[in-house]
Amino acid sequence: GAVVSQHPSRVICKSGTSVKIECRSLDFQATTMFWYRQFPKQSLMLMATSNEGSKATYEQGVEKDKFLINHASLTLSTLTVTSAHPEDSSFYICSASVRDYEQYFGPGTRLTVT
Amino acid sequence: GQNIDQPTEMTATEGAIVQINCTYQTSGFNGLFWYQQHAGEAPTFLSYNVLDGLEEKGRFSSFLSRSKGYSYLLLKELQMKDSASYLCAVTDSNYQLIWGAGTKLIIKP
Repeated sequence: GAVVSQHPSRVICKSGTSVKIECRSLDFQATTMFWYRQFPKQSLMLMATSNEGSKATYEQGVEKDKFLINHASLTLSTLTVTSAHPEDSSFYICSASVRDYEQYFGPGTRLTVT
Repeated sequence: GQNIDQPTEMTATEGAIVQINCTYQTSGFNGLFWYQQHAGEAPTFLSYNVLDGLEEKGRFSSFLSRSKGYSYLLLKELQMKDSASYLCAVTDSNYQLIWGAGTKLIIKP
Protein backbone atom coordinates (compact mmCIF):
# COMPACT_ATOMS: atom_id res chain seq x y z
CA GLY A 1 0.00 0.00 0.00
CA ALA A 2 0.85 3.72 0.09
CA VAL A 3 1.91 4.09 -3.54
CA VAL A 4 2.50 7.52 -5.02
CA SER A 5 2.90 8.04 -8.74
CA GLN A 6 4.24 10.96 -10.70
CA HIS A 7 3.78 11.81 -14.34
CA PRO A 8 5.76 12.37 -16.43
CA SER A 9 8.93 10.71 -15.18
CA ARG A 10 11.06 12.75 -17.56
CA VAL A 11 10.30 15.87 -19.54
CA ILE A 12 12.34 18.09 -21.80
CA CYS A 13 10.91 21.47 -22.68
CA LYS A 14 12.03 24.67 -24.32
CA SER A 15 12.79 27.80 -22.38
CA GLY A 16 9.69 29.93 -21.91
CA THR A 17 7.18 27.11 -22.00
CA SER A 18 5.20 25.68 -19.08
CA VAL A 19 5.30 22.14 -17.77
CA LYS A 20 2.76 20.37 -15.57
CA ILE A 21 3.74 17.53 -13.27
CA GLU A 22 1.09 15.33 -11.69
CA CYS A 23 1.33 13.58 -8.36
CA ARG A 24 -1.21 10.93 -7.41
CA SER A 25 -1.70 8.79 -4.34
CA LEU A 26 -2.93 5.54 -5.83
CA ASP A 27 -4.31 3.57 -2.92
CA PHE A 28 -4.89 6.09 -0.18
CA GLN A 29 -6.24 9.57 0.39
CA ALA A 30 -3.52 12.02 1.25
CA THR A 31 -4.31 14.77 3.71
CA THR A 32 -1.25 16.68 2.64
CA MET A 33 1.04 16.64 -0.36
CA PHE A 34 4.53 18.08 -0.54
CA TRP A 35 6.64 19.19 -3.46
CA TYR A 36 10.42 19.01 -3.37
CA ARG A 37 13.20 19.79 -5.78
CA GLN A 38 16.62 18.31 -5.70
CA PHE A 39 19.71 19.48 -7.52
CA PRO A 40 22.51 17.02 -8.25
CA LYS A 41 24.38 15.88 -5.16
CA GLN A 42 22.19 18.00 -2.90
CA SER A 43 19.50 17.12 -0.42
CA LEU A 44 15.81 17.58 -0.95
CA MET A 45 14.52 21.12 -0.74
CA LEU A 46 10.90 21.56 0.24
CA MET A 47 9.14 23.90 -2.15
CA ALA A 48 5.59 23.89 -0.87
CA THR A 49 3.01 22.08 1.18
CA SER A 50 -0.52 21.68 -0.05
CA ASN A 51 -3.75 20.52 1.52
CA GLU A 52 -6.73 19.50 -0.54
CA GLY A 53 -8.99 22.40 -1.40
CA SER A 54 -6.78 25.13 0.02
CA LYS A 55 -3.91 27.26 -1.24
CA ALA A 56 -0.43 25.84 -1.04
CA THR A 57 2.03 27.12 1.54
CA TYR A 58 5.28 28.03 -0.16
CA GLU A 59 8.68 27.97 1.43
CA GLN A 60 10.71 31.13 1.60
CA GLY A 61 12.40 31.89 -1.68
CA VAL A 62 10.02 29.83 -3.81
CA GLU A 63 8.06 31.94 -6.29
CA LYS A 64 4.43 30.96 -6.07
CA ASP A 65 3.61 32.63 -9.39
CA LYS A 66 6.25 30.54 -11.10
CA PHE A 67 5.54 27.23 -9.41
CA LEU A 68 1.77 26.84 -9.45
CA ILE A 69 0.41 24.13 -7.21
CA ASN A 70 -3.12 22.82 -7.41
CA HIS A 71 -4.43 20.23 -4.99
CA ALA A 72 -7.73 19.38 -6.59
CA SER A 73 -8.55 16.24 -4.64
CA LEU A 74 -7.29 13.99 -1.87
CA THR A 75 -5.43 11.91 -4.44
CA LEU A 76 -4.10 14.47 -6.93
CA SER A 77 -1.77 17.44 -6.77
CA THR A 78 -0.17 19.19 -9.72
CA LEU A 79 2.89 21.38 -9.99
CA THR A 80 3.12 23.67 -13.01
CA VAL A 81 6.46 25.27 -13.77
CA THR A 82 5.54 28.39 -15.72
CA SER A 83 7.85 30.11 -18.20
CA ALA A 84 10.54 27.56 -17.51
CA HIS A 85 14.20 28.52 -17.73
CA PRO A 86 17.31 26.32 -17.83
CA GLU A 87 17.96 27.01 -14.14
CA ASP A 88 14.63 25.32 -13.38
CA SER A 89 16.09 22.04 -14.61
CA SER A 90 15.98 19.77 -11.61
CA PHE A 91 14.53 16.61 -10.11
CA TYR A 92 11.06 17.33 -8.78
CA ILE A 93 9.66 14.92 -6.21
CA CYS A 94 6.27 14.87 -4.59
CA SER A 95 5.25 13.11 -1.43
CA ALA A 96 1.91 12.40 0.16
CA SER A 97 1.09 12.17 3.81
CA VAL A 98 -1.63 10.28 5.57
CA ARG A 99 -0.60 10.82 9.14
CA ASP A 100 1.53 13.59 10.50
CA TYR A 101 4.64 11.52 10.68
CA GLU A 102 4.70 9.55 7.43
CA GLN A 103 5.46 10.69 3.93
CA TYR A 104 5.38 8.48 0.87
CA PHE A 105 7.42 9.67 -2.06
CA GLY A 106 6.65 9.57 -5.73
CA PRO A 107 9.36 8.36 -8.11
CA GLY A 108 10.26 11.90 -9.17
CA THR A 109 10.20 13.85 -12.41
CA ARG A 110 13.38 14.95 -14.10
CA LEU A 111 12.85 18.27 -15.84
CA THR A 112 15.32 19.52 -18.42
CA VAL A 113 14.79 22.99 -19.86
CA THR A 114 16.73 23.69 -23.03
CA GLY B 1 18.06 27.92 13.55
CA GLN B 2 17.28 24.33 12.73
CA ASN B 3 20.10 22.07 11.74
CA ILE B 4 20.74 18.45 10.87
CA ASP B 5 24.32 17.21 10.64
CA GLN B 6 25.51 13.99 9.07
CA PRO B 7 28.80 13.02 7.41
CA THR B 8 29.05 13.84 3.73
CA GLU B 9 30.52 10.55 2.64
CA MET B 10 31.51 7.19 4.11
CA THR B 11 33.20 4.13 2.65
CA ALA B 12 32.75 0.57 3.84
CA THR B 13 33.52 -2.96 2.69
CA GLU B 14 31.02 -5.51 1.44
CA GLY B 15 29.93 -7.78 4.28
CA ALA B 16 30.97 -5.34 6.98
CA ILE B 17 28.96 -3.09 9.31
CA VAL B 18 28.67 0.68 9.02
CA GLN B 19 27.11 3.27 11.32
CA ILE B 20 25.89 6.57 9.93
CA ASN B 21 25.43 9.26 12.56
CA CYS B 22 23.00 12.15 12.59
CA THR B 23 22.79 15.00 15.09
CA TYR B 24 20.02 17.54 15.11
CA GLN B 25 18.98 20.84 16.66
CA THR B 26 15.36 21.62 15.91
CA SER B 27 12.49 23.57 17.38
CA GLY B 28 10.64 20.68 18.92
CA PHE B 29 10.79 17.04 17.97
CA ASN B 30 8.11 14.74 16.63
CA GLY B 31 10.17 11.94 15.17
CA LEU B 32 13.24 11.14 13.14
CA PHE B 33 13.35 9.39 9.80
CA TRP B 34 16.00 7.64 7.80
CA TYR B 35 15.60 7.41 4.04
CA GLN B 36 17.69 5.70 1.41
CA GLN B 37 18.15 7.36 -1.95
CA HIS B 38 19.83 5.78 -4.93
CA ALA B 39 21.23 8.11 -7.55
CA GLY B 40 18.53 9.46 -9.82
CA GLU B 41 15.70 8.03 -7.73
CA ALA B 42 13.36 9.34 -5.07
CA PRO B 43 14.01 8.53 -1.40
CA THR B 44 12.58 5.36 0.09
CA PHE B 45 11.57 5.05 3.72
CA LEU B 46 13.85 3.02 5.98
CA SER B 47 12.92 3.79 9.57
CA TYR B 48 11.09 6.05 11.97
CA ASN B 49 12.05 6.69 15.63
CA VAL B 50 10.08 8.80 18.05
CA LEU B 51 11.09 7.14 21.33
CA ASP B 52 14.61 6.57 22.63
CA GLY B 53 16.18 3.28 21.81
CA LEU B 54 17.02 0.91 19.02
CA GLU B 55 14.62 -0.18 16.28
CA GLU B 56 15.75 -3.20 14.33
CA LYS B 57 14.47 -4.09 10.90
CA GLY B 58 16.39 -6.82 9.17
CA ARG B 59 19.89 -5.70 8.27
CA PHE B 60 19.08 -2.10 9.18
CA SER B 61 18.72 -0.69 12.69
CA SER B 62 18.10 2.85 13.81
CA PHE B 63 18.87 4.35 17.21
CA LEU B 64 17.59 7.52 18.82
CA SER B 65 18.61 9.54 21.86
CA ARG B 66 16.36 12.56 22.20
CA SER B 67 18.29 14.04 25.12
CA LYS B 68 21.44 14.08 23.00
CA GLY B 69 19.75 15.08 19.75
CA TYR B 70 21.41 12.08 18.16
CA SER B 71 20.54 9.17 15.95
CA TYR B 72 22.40 6.57 13.99
CA LEU B 73 21.56 4.16 11.21
CA LEU B 74 23.36 0.83 11.43
CA LEU B 75 23.72 -1.29 8.34
CA LYS B 76 24.92 -4.89 8.75
CA GLU B 77 26.17 -7.44 6.24
CA LEU B 78 26.68 -4.72 3.68
CA GLN B 79 25.83 -5.46 0.09
CA MET B 80 26.88 -3.60 -3.02
CA LYS B 81 23.27 -2.49 -3.55
CA ASP B 82 23.48 -0.58 -0.26
CA SER B 83 25.62 2.01 -2.04
CA ALA B 84 23.35 5.05 -1.87
CA SER B 85 22.77 8.29 -0.02
CA TYR B 86 21.19 8.02 3.39
CA LEU B 87 19.09 10.97 4.49
CA CYS B 88 18.28 11.83 8.08
CA ALA B 89 15.17 13.97 8.59
CA VAL B 90 13.50 15.31 11.73
CA THR B 91 9.90 16.40 12.21
CA ASP B 92 9.77 19.55 14.28
CA SER B 93 7.04 20.89 16.55
CA ASN B 94 5.04 22.07 13.52
CA TYR B 95 5.39 18.66 11.88
CA GLN B 96 7.70 20.16 9.27
CA LEU B 97 10.35 17.80 7.98
CA ILE B 98 13.86 19.16 8.34
CA TRP B 99 16.28 17.33 6.06
CA GLY B 100 19.94 16.58 6.45
CA ALA B 101 22.16 16.87 3.40
CA GLY B 102 22.58 13.12 3.24
CA THR B 103 25.51 10.73 3.63
CA LYS B 104 26.83 9.11 0.50
CA LEU B 105 27.78 5.54 1.34
CA ILE B 106 30.26 3.82 -0.94
CA ILE B 107 30.55 0.04 -0.66
CA LYS B 108 33.75 -1.57 -1.89
CA PRO B 109 34.14 -5.27 -2.66
